[in-house]
Amino acid sequence: EPEVTQTPSHQVTQMGQEVILRCVPISNHLYFYWYRQILGQKVEFLVSFYNNEISEKSEIFDDQFSVERPDGSNFTLKIRSTKLEDSAMYFCASSVRTPANTGELFFGEGSRLTVL
Amino acid sequence: GNSVTQMEGPVTLSEEAFLTINCTYTATGYPSLFWYVQYPGEGLQLLLKATKADDKGSNKGFEATYRKETTSFHLEKGSVQVSDSAVYFCALSNDYKLSFGAGTTVTVRA
Repeated sequence: EPEVTQTPSHQVTQMGQEVILRCVPISNHLYFYWYRQILGQKVEFLVSFYNNEISEKSEIFDDQFSVERPDGSNFTLKIRSTKLEDSAMYFCASSVRTPANTGELFFGEGSRLTVL
Repeated sequence: GNSVTQMEGPVTLSEEAFLTINCTYTATGYPSLFWYVQYPGEGLQLLLKATKADDKGSNKGFEATYRKETTSFHLEKGSVQVSDSAVYFCALSNDYKLSFGAGTTVTVRA
């Protein structure tokens, strides 16, 4: 069964360092997403991506964040200069249609980022 | 804006007990409603969904009915199993994103 894969599963970094989280969405999906979950808190939307551009982003997704689909298969989230409060589990997801059009989001297992 | 409020956990049950997790929402328009489940060590998976008022979503013995008059989408299962131990997330969408509730941790004991 096709699945969304994420790497790394866990990354530890120093504050101020750049981090790239990688995702391989399901191959025929058109919409791509990043969510995050700070420990003990709710899953929060960061950004959605369609047709090689951001379709929507949250207030959390500031200038320190960027997304890219560099080669038609990978979908990456870059945090330019990490802060302590960026420590969280980051989930990638993909879908054939938007959730408003009842497109099911398929989530990866997450990448845990720890900023020291 | 959109928001989802769901019952706080954790919830601990014995096998074959009845499970209810309450979920209410605030949204503009007519959102689609979802329940996602996260089993230990795994990503979130869609459990069930409903797209319009009075629709009932069902899967794996779980059910939830889209109640527009009470803006609710409560999750129920008549007889839980140990394998149902997981975190359950209520969510809604009327655009590109899902808005999640805080999640409810359910533990079922044999």
